[in-house]
Amino acid sequence: DTAVSQTPKYLVTQMGNDKSIKCEQNLGHDTMYWYKQDSKKFLKIMFSYNNKELIINETVPNRFSPKSPDKAHLNLHINSLELGDSAVYFCASSSQPVYGYTFGSGTRLTVV
Amino acid sequence: GDSVTQMEGPVTLSEEAFLTINCTYTATGYPSLFWYVQYPGEGLQLLLKATKADDKGSNKGFEATYRKETTSFHLEKGSVQVSDSAVYFCALTPGMAGTALIFGKGTTLSVSS
Repeated sequence: DTAVSQTPKYLVTQMGNDKSIKCEQNLGHDTMYWYKQDSKKFLKIMFSYNNKELIINETVPNRFSPKSPDKAHLNLHINSLELGDSAVYFCASSSQPVYGYTFGSGTRLTVV
Repeated sequence: GDSVTQMEGPVTLSEEAFLTINCTYTATGYPSLFWYVQYPGEGLQLLLKATKADDKGSNKGFEATYRKETTSFHLEKGSVQVSDSAVYFCALTPGMAGTALIFGKGTTLSVSS
């Protein structure tokens, strides 16, 4: 059983489209995260939810909207995709931050 | 704010060489420290962690010691293998509510046989 699973693994889409990435964790963790990894491998936090409540909302364009229907799921919807949105997006979860996070395998988004 | 600084890569080594990847941090509180590894085309895996000063994290032959006096958490391995080729990330979590894991920029390790 995959602990943190993301779908899709690859996403190629045209500029201006709207797309969603889904994330599910079966670890029973209360907190989930979205990170963006750019072409230089730098990882930056985007959002975090704790038990369906948004607790971190970094400086991210309004075109990005997270949604957490329950504490096991955190989805990322992106409107009006731009070339600069091309990156790898990672979902992660944790029980307590001191124990570290468990990451999904990533979604490689390519906007053309 | 809190931050993590890693040595620039890439690091290129021959098999069985000694590895050190330097990591220093800036934090106002008492962070927990981590090393994550990302193999090509994969997600991040937790390699080791330390939650307080002088703790040593270890896993798969890798070690790192939480040094509060030098604000460092250097990663070491005595004898690297080709299979260790990956990107290594040092990270910290402030541990306070409303904060998230902060990563260094990553160091690419390439090991040749």
